[in-house]
Amino acid sequence: QQQVKQSPQSLIVQKGGISIINCAYENTAFDYFPWYQQFPGKGPALLIAIRPDVSEKKEGRFTISFNKSAKQFSLHIMDSQPGDSATYFCAASMTGANNLFFGTGTRLTVIP
Amino acid sequence: DTGVSQNPRHKITKRGQNVTFRCDPISEHNRLYWYRQTLGQGPEFLTYFQNEAQLEKSRLLSDRFSAERPKGSFSTLEIQRTEQGDSAMYLCASLNTGTYTQYFGPGTRLTVL
Repeated sequence: QQQVKQSPQSLIVQKGGISIINCAYENTAFDYFPWYQQFPGKGPALLIAIRPDVSEKKEGRFTISFNKSAKQFSLHIMDSQPGDSATYFCAASMTGANNLFFGTGTRLTVIP
Repeated sequence: DTGVSQNPRHKITKRGQNVTFRCDPISEHNRLYWYRQTLGQGPEFLTYFQNEAQLEKSRLLSDRFSAERPKGSFSTLEIQRTEQGDSAMYLCASLNTGTYTQYFGPGTRLTVL
């Protein structure tokens, strides 16, 4: 079954707007939550990641919000730009094997 | 840091043929992962290596799939008797154990006709 659930499947945002993508997980053993960005024909590239000991992490225009009790985390892209148009994946892993469990992806389109 | 490289980038084969893909990880990373990504889906874990030891295999890795990392550097993934359902992007990643960051290669896109 899907270990990490992601929504929405697709998102259209105006340039300068805020893009918000949500993920939820069930396995409380997960202790690392990255977001990856993927352009067509390319491999995923790490955007930002968080551990469950903090509730928020910000890097430039990208922010992860993490709610441990709700087992949810989200990505906020501020001042969205056309160059941000890509597919975004949330993921989770646990200490040990560290293999990533990915969400199903969100295709973001930023309209100029 | 030259990044993770994968070869070939594209492979078209006929059903029943064998194919082999290669992954060269970032040189100082001793963990290497293989994932499979089908259209419109997120990558799914297949297997991983710690140096030359294969430590875990997913149920997705059928008997037709085999992976090796003979000297703890590059890795190969072989699919025997390919089926149309094997058509996917095969991604390799290596892990920075200090930051837990997995760095992905560009992938090998397999098309089975």
